[in-house]
Amino acid sequence: EVQLVESGGGLVQPGRSMKLSCAASGFTFSNYGMAWVRQAPTKGLEWVATISYDGSSTYYRDSVKGRFTISRDNAKSTLYLQMNSLRSEDTATYYCTRRDWGDYWGQGVMVTVSS
Amino acid sequence: DIVLTQSPATLSVTPGESVSLSCRASQGISTSIHWYQQKSNESPRLLIKYASQSISGIPSRFSGSGSGTDFTLSINRVESEDFSVYYCQQSYSLPLTFGSGTKLEIK
Repeated sequence: EVQLVESGGGLVQPGRSMKLSCAASGFTFSNYGMAWVRQAPTKGLEWVATISYDGSSTYYRDSVKGRFTISRDNAKSTLYLQMNSLRSEDTATYYCTRRDWGDYWGQGVMVTVSS
Repeated sequence: DIVLTQSPATLSVTPGESVSLSCRASQGISTSIHWYQQKSNESPRLLIKYASQSISGIPSRFSGSGSGTDFTLSINRVESEDFSVYYCQQSYSLPLTFGSGTKLEIK
């Protein structure tokens, strides 16, 4: 059974950093591109970043470029999202997904950016 | 960026009715559209990939069609568990974008 389990969320002050993790199981992690998608409270879905199966290629939405870094450790079957210089508008539930078009989604982790 | 416009924003139906949800792209995207269902306080679930390809474990009453700029998600005989929000997403070009969603509610 494919499982994606996010962790690392919580309350953080504006300008500070936070790192999210997504532990994958039930499939060969190193064969798949992965992505992060977020959803602000009561809002729709928004793609954040994508990484290729081997980590050699990464892509970001403009609003997070230069602040967020997506990475992966295929030996640990884990996806990461390092978020720096956080802003109030980054407040959202963050989901990791398998592939760009999410055939599987994690349960999501809430990130609240507030002083 | 490719803008996806979903309509209607809200659709009120009676269980047993059949419905069609629309997603229109601001430019041609071939069949690179995917449909998701999101129930309240849950993660999205993939229903249809690449416009019309079915997904294992998804009831056969869900189907998709379209290519280019106009896409449709059809639900044949809506059941009570289907009342939720539906999103379309394009994977044709970056940035990946989602529609704003259609809420399917009980009439």
